[in-house]
Amino acid sequence: EAQVTQNPRYLITVTGKKLTVTCSQNMNHEYMSWYRQDPGLGLRQIYYSMNVEVTDKGDVPEGYKVSRKEKRNFPLILESPSPNQTSLYFCASSNIEHGLAGGIGSNEQFFGPGTRLTVL
Amino acid sequence: KQEVTQIPAALSVPEGENLVLNCSFTDSAIYNLQWFRQDPGKGLTSLLLIQSSQREQTSGRLNASLDKSSGRSTLYIAASQPGDSATYLCAVADLSNSGYALNFGKGTSLLVTP
Repeated sequence: EAQVTQNPRYLITVTGKKLTVTCSQNMNHEYMSWYRQDPGLGLRQIYYSMNVEVTDKGDVPEGYKVSRKEKRNFPLILESPSPNQTSLYFCASSNIEHGLAGGIGSNEQFFGPGTRLTVL
Repeated sequence: KQEVTQIPAALSVPEGENLVLNCSFTDSAIYNLQWFRQDPGKGLTSLLLIQSSQREQTSGRLNASLDKSSGRSTLYIAASQPGDSATYLCAVADLSNSGYALNFGKGTSLLVTP
């Protein structure tokens, strides 16, 4: 089954304790991305990756790191979590087809189930 | 930066009604536009994807239209059912030399009452 998986799904931690949220996709997608969702603010992009070893900052990258050593995995790292990073996090993946009109389903973003993080 | 707005923020309708959700965006040079559904505490489920060269897409009771020149998209839901109750999110994709960005609206919370 084509899917994006995230682990853990729920995490409660304390300020300053390094953590990693894993994301994996089995669709051979080039593009992967992390978002956080907060009430009243909607979904905001943290980081994205266009391919292996290519990562870029999104709108709210402060306090986060990512890596893309393999095509299927895109972990989100919080080196020193703070309470303002309490949020619902989503990983997503898609193909990126440059210059094509595309057909139904191309470039479609697939989202993971989310990770609810609480930093005390 | 692309700004995406969804109106209304919340909507309550009786079962069986046809309804329209609106999405507007500020930069018409988009790559594609995608509508998602999100149930409380859950992830996002893709409903429809419209490429920049397309005008509309249909899936079952759902129809999404795209008018790039006016910066608007609508999601039409026919014969609404209580199971349609969820938050509907519009996301506009931009592709440029600096990368690929998906910009989300804040969503329309839909409640369909029996």
